[in-house]
Amino acid sequence: EPEVTQTPSHQVTQMGQEVILRCVPISNHLYFYWYRQILGQKVEFLVSFYNNEISEKSEIFDDQFSVERPDGSNFTLKIRSTKLEDSAMYFCASSVFAGANVLTFGAGSRLTVL
Amino acid sequence: AQKVTQAQTEISVVEKEDVTLDCVYETRDTTYYLFWYKQPPSGELVFLIRRNSFDEQNEISGRYSWNFQKSTSSFNFTITASQVVDSAVYFCALSEAKSGGSNYKLTFGKGTLLTVNP
Repeated sequence: EPEVTQTPSHQVTQMGQEVILRCVPISNHLYFYWYRQILGQKVEFLVSFYNNEISEKSEIFDDQFSVERPDGSNFTLKIRSTKLEDSAMYFCASSVFAGANVLTFGAGSRLTVL
Repeated sequence: AQKVTQAQTEISVVEKEDVTLDCVYETRDTTYYLFWYKQPPSGELVFLIRRNSFDEQNEISGRYSWNFQKSTSSFNFTITASQVVDSAVYFCALSEAKSGGSNYKLTFGKGTLLTVNP
């Protein structure tokens, strides 16, 4: 069964460092998303991406965050200068269409900022 | 604004018991979609079901069943004859149906931790 793959599974970084989280969405999917889950809390929407541009972002997704689809397969989330509160599980997701289509989530990348 | 409330933070049952996970939602949209996702201890989010607001039929899939009641804005999830492997965090989620082909976002509840003891 096709799946969304994310790397790394766990990254530890120092505050202020840049981090790039990588995702390979399902190959025929057109819509891409990043969600975040702070430990023990609910999953929160960060950003959605379609046709090589951001289509929606939440208030969490400030200037420290950026997304990119550098080639035909990868979808990345960059945090320019990490803060302690960025420590969370980051989930990538993709869907074929918009609307009611089901999001397929990756296994997540756990980011720990020290 | 959309909101999903899962009032049960944690539930603990003994294997073979039936258990119902509650979900109450708020939205001003007339067309919307409801979802349940499972998050096992390994951490991934596993899709369980999607429901649109026009389809109030209850659904059964094996030991899982869902009760959608628009009148009370609830979308409850029942596991019959629970098993240890059902132990996970279960999230209810809501999305609006945007027109024009634009994509959408899920609003999640805080999740319910279900522990099924042998």
